[in-house]
Amino acid sequence: GAVVSQHPSWVICKSGTSVKIECRSLDFQATTMFWYRQFPKQSLMLMATSNEGSKATYEQGVEKDKFLINHASLTLSTLTVTSAHPEDSSFYICSARHRTRRVDQPQHFGDGTRLSIL
Amino acid sequence: GEDVEQSLFLSVREGDSSVINCTYTDSSSTYLYWYKQEPGAGLQLLTYIFSNMDMKQDQRLTVLLNKKDKHLSLRIADTQTGDSAIYFCASENQGGKLIFGQGTELSVKP
Repeated sequence: GAVVSQHPSWVICKSGTSVKIECRSLDFQATTMFWYRQFPKQSLMLMATSNEGSKATYEQGVEKDKFLINHASLTLSTLTVTSAHPEDSSFYICSARHRTRRVDQPQHFGDGTRLSIL
Repeated sequence: GEDVEQSLFLSVREGDSSVINCTYTDSSSTYLYWYKQEPGAGLQLLTYIFSNMDMKQDQRLTVLLNKKDKHLSLRIADTQTGDSAIYFCASENQGGKLIFGQGTELSVKP
């Protein structure tokens, strides 16, 4: 079945570092990928919609200069957390939607990236 | 805006059935999902239902969708201790965005 791969799965780094997270659709093409964030003991909130070949669409309250999204190909979207600070520590997870959607094709999520900023 | 609501906790005895309920507001939802999340782990897709369906069964899992009332439920038959986790309901809108509920923490007691 369709698989979404997310890398890395865990990152620990110092405050001020920029961190790049990759989201790949392994056996299908995805014109649209989504990035979500989950704080401890909370639900998932959509951060942005990543569109292949165009600018990402950010949800209200999400800083686009802080969370840079690039979707350069039909199988890869990246999220870069620039100058990360402790308050950016969270679980980041991506999902991908098939380029050609059928009824039996739900969205698929990556396994997530746990980001810890010291 | 769009919203998804779930009860926060459910406790059952091993071997009993669990029913987790969810309500949503977006009448144009296309897919509705149930995800399972264990501590420290990512999301595991349990099952999903397309909006033109009323019911879907997959082994121990039964999903019921009442589109008129915008109510979704997940029934887990013969609940086991390994089913203890947080269960998220999510609705997908026409643009593909998922709105998640707060999650229901299922506790299964031996």
